Amino acid sequence: QKEVEQNSGPLSVPEGAIASLNCTYSDRGSQSFFWYRQYSGKSPELIMFIYSNGDKEDGRFTAQLNKASQYVSLLIRDSQPSDSATYLCAVRDTGRRALTFGSGTRLQVQP
Amino acid sequence: DAGITQSPRYKITETGRQVTLMCHQTWSHSYMFWYRQDLGHGLRLIYYSAAADITDKGEVPDGYVVSRSKTENFPLTLESATRSQTSVYFCASSDPRGSGGTDTQYFGPGTRLTVL
Repeated sequence: QKEVEQNSGPLSVPEGAIASLNCTYSDRGSQSFFWYRQYSGKSPELIMFIYSNGDKEDGRFTAQLNKASQYVSLLIRDSQPSDSATYLCAVRDTGRRALTFGSGTRLQVQP
Repeated sequence: DAGITQSPRYKITETGRQVTLMCHQTWSHSYMFWYRQDLGHGLRLIYYSAAADITDKGEVPDGYVVSRSKTENFPLTLESATRSQTSVYFCASSDPRGSGGTDTQYFGPGTRLTVL
């Protein structure tokens, strides 16, 4: 069974710091990787996707992918209290369009 | 504003009753998905559909039935609700032709279902 693992947290960082969120996956055939943010009581919303090894930057967010190590991460620079949420890592393989999600990491940014 | 909607947003039912959760999207996305979210399990795929009249099982399909007679609608039915089906249910849709082929999934607001 395909697995996506995340530390449940909470990960607590001070305002202005860099938050680092990590995710590992079991299926070497996985092709696309997604980070979703979910506020309490709300639906997941896409932050970033990545499908090539290396870094991808979008504003304060950087996704990092290492397929050899089966590892994907999300860095949030200049963390703000509004970034406090649960971050879900999701993986898609070539076989189908559905995603396999990790259980999420709860991030708390302290003012 | 168009998008993906779910109804009802909250539902309380009793064990053994049939319940149908509705999902409607206005983007004409070909793919639609149903997930459930429980504490400690993240989002788990129940069923998905690649197009009208094409559906397939996900990770946790037992006790659920889906249909898709129209592209825009993807209802999820609990044939005989059980307490273990108490959860938050999310519908999502995606278009493989869009977003540079990344096939981003967009989620509805969710339905919180309680089975007593």
